[in-house]
Amino acid sequence: AQTVTQSQPEMSVQEAETVTLSCTYDTSESDYYLFWYKQPPSRQMILVIRQEAYKQQNATENRFSVNFQKAAKSFSLKISDSQLGDAAMYFCATTSGAGSYQLTFGKGTKLSVIP
Amino acid sequence: AAGVIQSPRHLIKEKRETATLKCYPIPRHDTVYWYQQGPGQDPQFLISFYEKMQSDKGSIPDRFSAQQFSDYHSELNMSSLELGDSALYFCASSDRGGRPEAFFGQGTRLTVV
Repeated sequence: AQTVTQSQPEMSVQEAETVTLSCTYDTSESDYYLFWYKQPPSRQMILVIRQEAYKQQNATENRFSVNFQKAAKSFSLKISDSQLGDAAMYFCATTSGAGSYQLTFGKGTKLSVIP
Repeated sequence: AAGVIQSPRHLIKEKRETATLKCYPIPRHDTVYWYQQGPGQDPQFLISFYEKMQSDKGSIPDRFSAQQFSDYHSELNMSSLELGDSALYFCASSDRGGRPEAFFGQGTRLTVV
């Protein structure tokens, strides 16, 4: 069984500043993936970034990067140069690396961006 | 690029009625997932299909059933609807032999009155 914990129900950031969203997870799998999904007010689930557990290098996608600490089972998301369009609910999720890739989500962090 | 298509987008049903939600995965994706997201909740995995066979089962009530057809589209059938079934239902698809990430449809908002 896998569990994901997001300890920050809400966060806020000034436009153009940097913010980090926290996530910890627990899994018995040796091979797994970690994701951050964004859910704006439209409720669409949008993939932000993916990290393979076997990779030591932290994933980066434009203004989004992660800090993956495998031993600590920590997977934080850093958003640089925050934009108004970044305001959304952010879900951290994990999936097994074998078989079906169903996701286990955290409770989410609501990010507000202040103009 | 083609995305996951769900229909209908909105559905209003009365208690004890039946609802059918449809999902058309991204072309060449071999796996379909269904998730339920209640108000203020995270999405919960219901069921998945790989190559038209049921793959994994999550917290899906016995009143719900699903299947995947020969053209890879999937349907979630919900019977004896209860007020607590009101939620956003997502379908997602992935290519199990390729990238592991799932791509989500826009969801069907089901309201049971």
